[in-house]
Amino acid sequence: KQEVTQIPAALSVPEGENLVLNCSFTDSAIYNLQWFRQDPGKGLTSLLLIQSSQREQTSGRLNASLDKSSGRSTLYIAASQPGDSATYLCAVWAINAGNMLTFGGGTRLMVKP
Amino acid sequence: GAVVSQHPSRVICKSGTSVKIECRSLDFQATTMFWYRQFPKQSLMLMATSNEGSKATYEQGVEKDKFLINHASLTLSTLTVTSAHPEDSSFYICSIQIKETQYFGPGTRLLVL
Repeated sequence: KQEVTQIPAALSVPEGENLVLNCSFTDSAIYNLQWFRQDPGKGLTSLLLIQSSQREQTSGRLNASLDKSSGRSTLYIAASQPGDSATYLCAVWAINAGNMLTFGGGTRLMVKP
Repeated sequence: GAVVSQHPSRVICKSGTSVKIECRSLDFQATTMFWYRQFPKQSLMLMATSNEGSKATYEQGVEKDKFLINHASLTLSTLTVTSAHPEDSSFYICSIQIKETQYFGPGTRLLVL
């Protein structure tokens, strides 16, 4: 059974810092991995999708990497801003899980002005 | 623009009543929709997979008689929380899958008094 873990569970940084969020998964047989953002009380917003054949994806200040063999992904946020404060979730679509995404527990990020 | 809508966005009800939540796919025909639940400070947990024209598939531990799912058309799935209790208070989110990406609705916050 696929398990997804995110470290750290919470992170507080001053504005302007570059930061890295970590995601690990136990079964490397995946179709893809997604990073989501969730604001309090809101639904999820998809940030980046990395296919299993890809190593990284970039969108603006965000860069996500994928090392499928080691079961790891990182989300790099450059020059963090207070507006980046949210919970960040990674989710994997495992080959043996049908259409189901397996989510990590999330990292709650607070960027202080 | 939004791909998935949910209604209502927020509902407060008395214990013992039933509440219906609608999930609509706005631009795509969705033969499959997913229902998630999120308790405070916890990650999303898949409750059930809603299949158009057939019975929903429930995850282990989710009571199918309590959480009734009807996927009557390719654009609408409903989740009815029957005889709601305070412990059912949660954030309910639906999603549809288009190719490799899941698109999430904005969520419905249910508070049972």
